[in-house]
Amino acid sequence: AQTVTQSQPEMSVQEAETVTLSCTYDTSENNYYLFWYKQPPSRQMILVIRQEAYKQQNATENRFSVNFQKAAKSFSLKISDSQLGDTAMYFCAFMNAGNNRKLIWGLGTSLAVNP
Amino acid sequence: EAGVTQSPTHLIKTRGQQVTLRCSPISGHTSVYWYQQALGLGLQFLLWYDEGEERNRGNFPPRFSGRQFPNYSSELNVNALELEDSALYLCASSSDWVPGNTIYFGEGSWLTVV
Repeated sequence: AQTVTQSQPEMSVQEAETVTLSCTYDTSENNYYLFWYKQPPSRQMILVIRQEAYKQQNATENRFSVNFQKAAKSFSLKISDSQLGDTAMYFCAFMNAGNNRKLIWGLGTSLAVNP
Repeated sequence: EAGVTQSPTHLIKTRGQQVTLRCSPISGHTSVYWYQQALGLGLQFLLWYDEGEERNRGNFPPRFSGRQFPNYSSELNVNALELEDSALYLCASSSDWVPGNTIYFGEGSWLTVV
């Protein structure tokens, strides 16, 4: 069975600095998708970034980038120039490219950006 | 463009009662998903509907059920409520033309069972 592990329950960073959130996953599949979602206190789950496993190039979205290491089954999120609005729970999620459309989630990392 | 909308936002029910949660997907999206986010348990996949059919189901008892209407909106029904059903229920939607099977979430319905 696929699993997703986020080993850092809580992290903090100073405003304008860089922080990296870790995520590892376990699967026997070769084709899949990986996601980072952000859940602020409003509780709405917001997509931060997405990576297709067949793409070797790491995805980037403005201040957010990932380090995707397929062989190591690692998918870390780097937030550059952290802003107060980045304070939220961050969830790593996995989806098989097959047709079950089921997201498997980590337990999340609570990130606090301090002024 | 409106996002995924859910109703009600908060509700309190008594153990043994039944509840219906509603979801409208993003315009043009044909797939709707339901997830349960309970404290300490993380997010758990409940159901996936597409084109009116149930396509996949998570490891939940049959008292969790739902349906999708011709306009692609969806309902989640929970019968015989138990205390452990207290959770945030998140609805999400997607479409085949969205790359990477990305799904977009609503703000959720908070259910408290007392």
